[in-house]
Amino acid sequence: KQEVTQIPAALSVPEGENLVLNCSFTDSAIYNLQWFRQDPGKGLTSLLLIQSSQREQTSGRLNASLDKSSGRSTLYIAASQPGDSATYLCAVKGGGSYIPTFGRGTSLIVHP
Amino acid sequence: GAGVSQSPSNKVTEKGKDVELRCDPISGHTALYWYRQSLGQGLEFLIYFQGNSAPDKSGLPSDRFSAERTGGSVSTLTIQRTQQEDSAVYLCASRAGTGVAEQYFGPGTRLTVT
Repeated sequence: KQEVTQIPAALSVPEGENLVLNCSFTDSAIYNLQWFRQDPGKGLTSLLLIQSSQREQTSGRLNASLDKSSGRSTLYIAASQPGDSATYLCAVKGGGSYIPTFGRGTSLIVHP
Repeated sequence: GAGVSQSPSNKVTEKGKDVELRCDPISGHTALYWYRQSLGQGLEFLIYFQGNSAPDKSGLPSDRFSAERTGGSVSTLTIQRTQQEDSAVYLCASRAGTGVAEQYFGPGTRLTVT
C-alpha cells in the first residue's frame, strides 16, 4: 500500500526566503505526482503535475522535482510572499490504481 | 471555462437525517472522485467514477454512504442516517479521461451534524 509523508508538518518563515517542502512515498511505481495548495476553508488548487517520466516541472516561482528511485519529491518556492501562506499537499498516483494517495500536508506561514 | 462546482457550500443537519451533496465536474471530464477531509486529517478517498465503468466504492466508510453519477456528468453523494462523526468537508474532483491527467477540485461542502 502506498504511503505518502510530508515533512515538515508546519513551517513559518519570513518573507523573501527560499524554501523547500518535502514529499516522500514508499512505492516508486507511480504514474505521476501532483502538488496542490489549500487555503483555509477552500478546496485544493493544482500547482504542478509531474509525470513519472519527468524529473521536474516549473511554474513561476515554483519548481517541483521528482526522484522516483528514492521515492521523493520536493517543492521549491522562491522568494516567498505572505500570499504563499497555505497548506501544501502532494498526491501520488500509481501502482495500477488511478486513486491518488495524499500526504497530510505542510502548513506554511510566510510572515511580513 | 467553469471549474468544478459543489453545492451546498455548507450544510448543517441533525443526527439521523439524510443529506445529499452535489458535484458538477468540468465539462467533458470522464473521471470523478469524492473525498472527505476531517479536521486535522488528510484527504480520505471515498469513491471514484470513470466513464461508464462500475465505480470504485472501496473508500466508502459504511453502507450509509452511497453515490451516483447520472449521464456521466453530475454526481450526488448521499449520506443516510447521519452521525456526528460524518462532520467533515466533502470534496469532489474531476479529471480528463487519461489516468495521468491532473485532478481539479471543487470548493467542497462543509457538513456539520449536530
